[in-house]
Amino acid sequence: AAGVIQSPRHLIKEKRETATLKCYPIPRHDTVYWYQQGPGQDPQFLISFYEKMQSDKGSIPDRFSAQQFSDYHSELNMSSLELGDSALYFCASSLAGGPDTQYFGPGTRLTVL
Amino acid sequence: QQQVKQSPQSLIVQKGGIPIINCAYENTAFDYFPWYQQFPGKGPALLIAIRPDVSEKKEGRFTISFNKSAKQFSLHIMDSQPGDSATYFCAATMDTGRRALTFGSGTRLQVQP
Repeated sequence: AAGVIQSPRHLIKEKRETATLKCYPIPRHDTVYWYQQGPGQDPQFLISFYEKMQSDKGSIPDRFSAQQFSDYHSELNMSSLELGDSALYFCASSLAGGPDTQYFGPGTRLTVL
Repeated sequence: QQQVKQSPQSLIVQKGGIPIINCAYENTAFDYFPWYQQFPGKGPALLIAIRPDVSEKKEGRFTISFNKSAKQFSLHIMDSQPGDSATYFCAATMDTGRRALTFGSGTRLQVQP
């Protein structure tokens, strides 16, 4: 079965640079969630989108923004990167009207030097 | 403040043992409780989930016990195998549509041969 696709899988950036992470949800899933997981930490919710509109907002820094496109894929844009932004970034998708189960992608490992 | 408290932080059992991981929550609005398994560098994978209207749910070797009055739930892994060695996260959400998951802090399980 098709899963959530994230790209790139690994990304290395310098401080103050920008980064864009992409997420392609499971086909027919219309809701996308972004989570950040630091080393040895649990995933922390950043933001979610449903039908291209922001659905819920968590602990997303003002330096980050995200959007969902007409094909339901989503992009997380990160600017003025800081060392503390180094983490695994996961995208999850779900089907509104379904059991709300969230399926996670393999993640993007961002390293900020 | 961790809205979902998980224990123990780490657990070592022998092959065939039954590790038990416990979680407790405060927010009575939570009504959907999934468990995720995560291997190093991978995305969380859904194992099993339960709603408050049932006290127990079993899928294969994995069983969730749920105590609504105590606001506690636990994961039991029957006949544990070395391949079960991973980090396990409990989570909670309001299953009213498109809500973020709140994760516990995780339990690192090691099953020794």
